[in-house]
Amino acid sequence: QKEVEQDPGPLSVPEGAIVSLNCTYSNSAFQYFMWYRQYSRKGPELLMYTYSSGNKEDGRFTAQVDKSSKYISLFIRDSQPSDSATYLCAMSKAAGNKLTFGGGTRVLVKP
Amino acid sequence: DTGVSQNPRHKITKRGQNVTFRCDPISEHNRLYWYRQTLGQGPEFLTYFQNEAQLEKSRLLSDRFSAERPKGSFSTLEIQRTEQGDSAMYLCASSTGGNSPLHFGNGTRLTVT
Repeated sequence: QKEVEQDPGPLSVPEGAIVSLNCTYSNSAFQYFMWYRQYSRKGPELLMYTYSSGNKEDGRFTAQVDKSSKYISLFIRDSQPSDSATYLCAMSKAAGNKLTFGGGTRVLVKP
Repeated sequence: DTGVSQNPRHKITKRGQNVTFRCDPISEHNRLYWYRQTLGQGPEFLTYFQNEAQLEKSRLLSDRFSAERPKGSFSTLEIQRTEQGDSAMYLCASSTGGNSPLHFGNGTRLTVT
């Protein structure tokens, strides 16, 4: 079993809808949590970076971390076709430490 | 553009050949990481450097793989005697360490025929 699990999708939503993504993990040592967006044939691009439990908002993006449940989420409000990409969750045990990624969820936002 | 730069973007090679990839990190980023990503999967950690010191290597990094960062700036990843299973995207990332997040390049896509 992988340390970080993520539904591969695809998740298809109409333009303007809220996109809801999540990851579960098994190692309670993870303290830092990230979401990356990856377009086809490109490298991952950092969207959100959070430490420990709680919520963080940045524009249309909200990240939530629930360490007691070992569950993290990303919400994208007012989704746009340009949000169509693969979203990867990632986590690490210490600041600046190596990242462990989920397998990614492919999102399609239809106009 | 001052992001992480990787060359070449795509490399096609025959099984058994050696290949070398280059990564130029963001200026003044002292940490440099290599990851491998296969189709439909998330990136997997291979190794990382703090300046010129290689501090950790994954067991995924077989003895056919070697990485260097001789002057603490750019890094190279060499694969000797390539196998078809080496076909993947090889990603490089850099950071300033501490709490700073990793910034990735656009990768080198390796195809072994």
